[in-house]
Amino acid sequence: AQSVAQPEDQVNVAEGNPLTVKCTYSVSGNPYLFWYVQYPNRGLQFLLKYITGDNLVKGSYGFEAEFNKSQTSFHLKKPSALVSDSALYFCAVRPQAYSSASKIIFGSGTRLSIRP
Amino acid sequence: GAVVSQHPSWVICKSGTSVKIECRSLDFQATTMFWYRQFPKQSLMLMATSNEGSKATYEQGVEKDKFLINHASLTLSTLTVTSAHPEDSSFYICSARDRAYSYEQYFGPGTRLTVT
Repeated sequence: AQSVAQPEDQVNVAEGNPLTVKCTYSVSGNPYLFWYVQYPNRGLQFLLKYITGDNLVKGSYGFEAEFNKSQTSFHLKKPSALVSDSALYFCAVRPQAYSSASKIIFGSGTRLSIRP
Repeated sequence: GAVVSQHPSWVICKSGTSVKIECRSLDFQATTMFWYRQFPKQSLMLMATSNEGSKATYEQGVEKDKFLINHASLTLSTLTVTSAHPEDSSFYICSARDRAYSYEQYFGPGTRLTVT
C-alpha cells in the first residue's frame, strides 16, 4: 500500500537552532512531494514542493527540503527556528503524478514546538 | 497565487438539519476538487473527489447519501452534510486542482462544523 510516514508526533527545538521534520514515503512511480503547514483552526498553507530537478528545494518562510530517492525521504529543514514556526506540519505525496487521477496522500502530521 | 475560498468558515447547526459548504476556486478553473475531513490533532482524510459535470467518487467508508457533493461548474463545488449529527462535527477542507497545471493543487481555509 502507498503511504507517507512522519515518524515524530512532536519535535521540540530551541529558537535559533536548526530544525528537521522527517518524512519518508512508499509509493510507486515518480511522485510529487509536498510540505504544508497548518495553524490552529486554519487550512493548509503550502510551504514547498518537489516535482523534478534539484534535490534541494527551497520554500516559504526559510524552509527547505531535500529529496532523497534512495532513502525515499523528503525531510523538512530550517537553519534557524523561530517561535512563529510552531505549528502542525504535514508531508504529502502525490504518487504517479503524471496521472490526473492520482490523489495526494498525507502523513499523520508533526507538531513543531519552538521554545524561546 | 491561486486562491481557494470556503464558505462559511464556521457553522453551528442543530442535529437533524442539513448544512451546505461551498468551495470556490477564485482565479483558476478546477476540473477536479477534493473534500477532506480532519478530526482534532489528526491528519486529513480524503472523503471524495469531484469532477466538474460528473458524479463524485467517494472513498471507502464515506456515506454518499450523507455527504452530497455537487461540482456544478469549473469554479464551484459544494458539500452538503444531510441530517447532521454531533459525530459529523469536524473541520472540512476542500482542495482544487488547477485545470491548466494539473500538478498544482490548492487548499481552502477550511470550515468548522459543529452539530449540537
